[in-house]
Amino acid sequence: DIQMTQSPASLSASLEEIVTITCQASQNIGNWLAWYQQKPGKSPQLLIYGTTSLADGVPSRFSGSRSGTQYSLKISRLQVEDIGIYYCQQASSTPFTFGSGTKLEIK
Amino acid sequence: EVQLQESGPGLVKPSQSLSLTCSVTGYSITSNYWGWIRKFPGNKMEWMGYISYSGSTSYNPSLKSRISITRDTSKNQFFLQLNSVTTEDTATYYCARCYRYNLGFAYWGQGTLVTVSS
Repeated sequence: DIQMTQSPASLSASLEEIVTITCQASQNIGNWLAWYQQKPGKSPQLLIYGTTSLADGVPSRFSGSRSGTQYSLKISRLQVEDIGIYYCQQASSTPFTFGSGTKLEIK
Repeated sequence: EVQLQESGPGLVKPSQSLSLTCSVTGYSITSNYWGWIRKFPGNKMEWMGYISYSGSTSYNPSLKSRISITRDTSKNQFFLQLNSVTTEDTATYYCARCYRYNLGFAYWGQGTLVTVSS
């Protein structure tokens, strides 16, 4: 199975701050990487697919990038509604696997 | 608008089978890929498997021969059966639809908590 190592496990940041979450894939997954946001009490929401493409309705302050087998999610100006748990998921090959999650809080 | 809704028992006894239904509206399950994903206490997420537009299936090897995903196209529903459950199968279970294959899951049900306990 492809392992997705996600960091940090938790993050506390101030409003308007830039936030970055990373996932390291254990092998080449190309651009088959998705990011999700899960708000408290809600289902996960697709934010980014194909490493860099923004899903419908997702604010432009979210962006995704890749360097080799390291993938990053950036929130350019943190807002209150961005709190929740963020997950990466590789969609390159089955079994699809998720990162361990990053819990994002407002400082 | 695509909507998914899980249903099924919230409590299952150890060694029994867990059976869930995902009812889909706004989109035919004879298109795209439809999956089951679960979230354990402590936030770990696990992809369990999917059923495709053609009815073919793919399962997580970690579930070995315990899992089965089937569908009823006339009702636009697909189903999860997980046999021989243990307390380790306690989780919130989600059904979801791929955006497109290899592009993540764009539509999710609200999730249903299943507790395995005697």
